[in-house]
Amino acid sequence: NAGVTQTPKFRILKIGQSMTLQCTQDMNHNYMYWYRQDPGMGLKLIYYSVGAGITDKGEVPNGYNVSRSTTEDFPLRLELAAPSQTSVYFCASSYLGGGETQYFGPGTRLLVL
Amino acid sequence: DAKTTQPPSMDCAEGRAANLPCNHSTISGNEYVYWYRQIHSQGPQYIIHGLKNNETNEMASLIITEDRKSSTLILPHATLRDTAVYYCIASANYGGSQGNLIFGKGTKLSVKP
Repeated sequence: NAGVTQTPKFRILKIGQSMTLQCTQDMNHNYMYWYRQDPGMGLKLIYYSVGAGITDKGEVPNGYNVSRSTTEDFPLRLELAAPSQTSVYFCASSYLGGGETQYFGPGTRLLVL
Repeated sequence: DAKTTQPPSMDCAEGRAANLPCNHSTISGNEYVYWYRQIHSQGPQYIIHGLKNNETNEMASLIITEDRKSSTLILPHATLRDTAVYYCIASANYGGSQGNLIFGKGTKLSVKP
């Protein structure tokens, strides 16, 4: 199993541009999550999904959108990139909700200039 | 979710036990204590979790006080590869917002030769 994969690994965006961060898991997990991590800080939850077609906001959802059309994929969309969205983005998945072991991807480093 | 308090940093000699403390004085009865670690900007990795009994697995041991207000993660024989940021998280073990993980700043453990 590849686990949780994320693409791209690194991206530079100009202010106002849009992009989609891709996340795929091959463990048939029901729950998927998007976090962001700013330098020296812990992870903050952006959005999460409890299954295909169901998503909900986390702690810092503003400026982002998500969709979950399949069990495997959970893309994160940035519509109008802002410098405040410069961060490292981690996708994670788990079979059950709660603190049940979450498996994290390697992260996507995003720089907005 | 309960808030946890951890020291910002700790040092440990290679081969010795690393004891990482965590305070969670406001933990609820249905909340578990989870430990994750993050090695040099990789995605966080699950270590161990427990409710009220002490737990041990191949990576670490978790000691929870009887009143559940604090816990200690023990890495029995720390190696250089254990250098990482360790996160202690209190969370309900079921789906929905109450079960989401809230990452603080964690403890940066430096294992020294």
